[in-house]
Amino acid sequence: EAQVTQNPRYLITVTGKKLTVTCSQNMNHEYMSWYRQDPGLGLRQIYYSMNVEVTDKGDVPEGYKVSRKEKRNFPLILESPSPNQTSLYFCASSSRQGDTYEQYFGPGTRLTVT
Amino acid sequence: TQLLEQSPQFLSIQEGENLTVYCNSSSVFSSLQWYRQEPGEGPVLLVTVVTGGEVKKLKRLTFQFGDARKDSSLHITAAQPGDTGLYLCAGRYGNKLVFGAGTILRVKS
Repeated sequence: EAQVTQNPRYLITVTGKKLTVTCSQNMNHEYMSWYRQDPGLGLRQIYYSMNVEVTDKGDVPEGYKVSRKEKRNFPLILESPSPNQTSLYFCASSSRQGDTYEQYFGPGTRLTVT
Repeated sequence: TQLLEQSPQFLSIQEGENLTVYCNSSSVFSSLQWYRQEPGEGPVLLVTVVTGGEVKKLKRLTFQFGDARKDSSLHITAAQPGDTGLYLCAGRYGNKLVFGAGTILRVKS
C-alpha cells in the first residue's frame, strides 16, 4: 500500500530536549516536505527536499532542521524545542505529474512542548 | 511570502444546499490544488487546476481556476453530511506550496 508514515503520532516533551520526528514514504517520490498546522493559520511549509541531499527552507524554518540522506526518509529535527513549536506536524511526499505535483500526506504528529 | 485567503472560514448548512468556497491571492500561481482534511488525518488531494479559466468537476464538486491564475473556487451542489470536513486550497509557486487557512464545512442532516 502506497503511504507516508510518521512517528511518533503523539509526543509530549519539555523545552530544550532534542527530538526527531521520522517520515518515510514507499512511493519512490523525489519531493518531500514538512508542514505545521495551527488553528487559523492553515498549513505552513517548514522545509522541503527536491531529492537526496537537496533541502531548502519553506516559510517557517526557524528552530527546525531536516536531512535527506535516503530518498524514502525525511526526518524533522528540533534541536531545542520551545512551547511555540507545539503544533500538528505533517510530512508529505509528491510525484511530479507534468507541471504539477500530486502530494500525499502522512497522518500527522501532534507535538506538545511544555 | 505569498498569501492565499480563503472564505468563508466556517460554513454550516443543511443537507441539500449548495455552497461555494473561495480562495484569493494577489499572486499568480503556476497551479492550484484543493484538499479535504478530516479530523485526525492528513489532507487528501481532491483536484489540481493548472490553466487559467480551467473548470474541473468531481461528482458534485466543481473547481474553477481564475483567468489570471490568482483565485479559485470550489462549488458543492446538494451538499451531504459526508462532505463535512476542512477544505484547503494550496497554490504552487516555484518549488513551494502555500496553503490557505481553510474552510470548515459542516453539513447537517
